[in-house]
Amino acid sequence: AQSVAQPEDQVNVAEGNPLTVKCTYSVSGNPYLFWYVQYPNRGLQFLLKYITGDNLVKGSYGFEAEFNKSQTSFHLKKPSALVSDSALYFCAVRDGPDKLIFGTGTRLQVFP
Amino acid sequence: DVKVTQSSRYLVKRTGEKVFLECVQDMDHENMFWYRQDPGLGLRLIYFSYDVKMKEKGDIPEGYSVSREKKERFSLILESASTNQTSMYLCASRIRSGNTIYFGEGSWLTVV
Repeated sequence: AQSVAQPEDQVNVAEGNPLTVKCTYSVSGNPYLFWYVQYPNRGLQFLLKYITGDNLVKGSYGFEAEFNKSQTSFHLKKPSALVSDSALYFCAVRDGPDKLIFGTGTRLQVFP
Repeated sequence: DVKVTQSSRYLVKRTGEKVFLECVQDMDHENMFWYRQDPGLGLRLIYFSYDVKMKEKGDIPEGYSVSREKKERFSLILESASTNQTSMYLCASRIRSGNTIYFGEGSWLTVV
């Protein structure tokens, strides 16, 4: 079965510093990978996805993610964090034609 | 823009009550989903539907049922609410040929 793991419950970073939110995956075949963000009391918003092609994927709000097949990872990155980036981030992998399997989420806290 | 609307944002129900959570999408998407979100567990799929009157069980269907009488509307039903169904419920939709799932704002259900 497909799965993703987010090894960190929380990531703390100072504003202006680079941030990384980690995700590893386990799939059979080629993975379809996604990142979503959830702000307090809101639904999930799509950030970016990797289907095929370039290993560096650019998404919304200045975020990007690097697909690494040898390490089975899909880490979310941003060169310079903003306080407004503080939110809950979910990694997900497509399972079959219809479903997404989500990780447990990582809370990002950006301090001024 | 894709719009997925969950009409009830916050509900408080009593144990044993029948509960309806409604979801409407305006983009003519074939696939619709109901997820449940709990701290530390991420999102778990309850049911999904890939067409009118069609439904498939997800990972945690017990205690829930769904209804899809029209393409734009997907309802989640708790036949007899229990306290362990207190949670955040998220509806989502996706075009059949697409990869990205779009979420509603969520419905917070408290069962007392």
